[in-house]
Amino acid sequence: NAGVMQNPRHLVRRRGQEARLRCSPMKGHSHVYWYRQLPEEGLKFMVYLQKENIIDESGMPKERFSAEFPKEGPSILRIQQVVRGDSAAYFCASSSDGNYGYTFGSGTRLTVV
Amino acid sequence: KNEVEQSPQNLTAQEGEFITINCSYSVGISALHWLQQHPGGGIVSLFMLSSGKKKHGRLIATINIQEKHSSLHITASHPRDSAVYICAVRSVETSGSRLTFGEGTQLTVNP
Repeated sequence: NAGVMQNPRHLVRRRGQEARLRCSPMKGHSHVYWYRQLPEEGLKFMVYLQKENIIDESGMPKERFSAEFPKEGPSILRIQQVVRGDSAAYFCASSSDGNYGYTFGSGTRLTVV
Repeated sequence: KNEVEQSPQNLTAQEGEFITINCSYSVGISALHWLQQHPGGGIVSLFMLSSGKKKHGRLIATINIQEKHSSLHITASHPRDSAVYICAVRSVETSGSRLTFGEGTQLTVNP
């Protein structure tokens, strides 16, 4: 029973390019959360999704960031036209019904050069 | 003021010492998590608490709902315990299991 799988582990993008971060939740988990950890800062909530629905995106920057969790396949966090300030570790977590089994992925470390 | 405050921010101990990390929060919660993060590594969930006390190996977590306070204890600390320990809460006012995090406590255990 694999845990939460995130890929890639490390991603380097030039300013202006797009970054796509993938998260496959644990088997049986239908709730996905994305968090961002900026250098030397704590973790901050970005977005909460269930299959085909965005439940809460109050932590997402208003521009350039989007997230989806399609019926089939992983959840995707997409950052368009990346800037240096987007450099951070992005973590995905999944849970079943919100009461049990909250599990984090290993994160994707995005570096914008 | 952050909704979740941890203390201390940094903690250095000698191997074998008993360690306590504290977490205070200001919102109503349905659960509190203690997490561990190694440098450059992922995040591991150590405990999820809604009341009382939990123990796993050398780790003990307690929570006092009335006082809005939780502690993480490590007995007989070891250098491999060196990591950042993060307290996170699930507020009753937010959706699903969304977490709000403390800033973390950097623990260094010297041999």
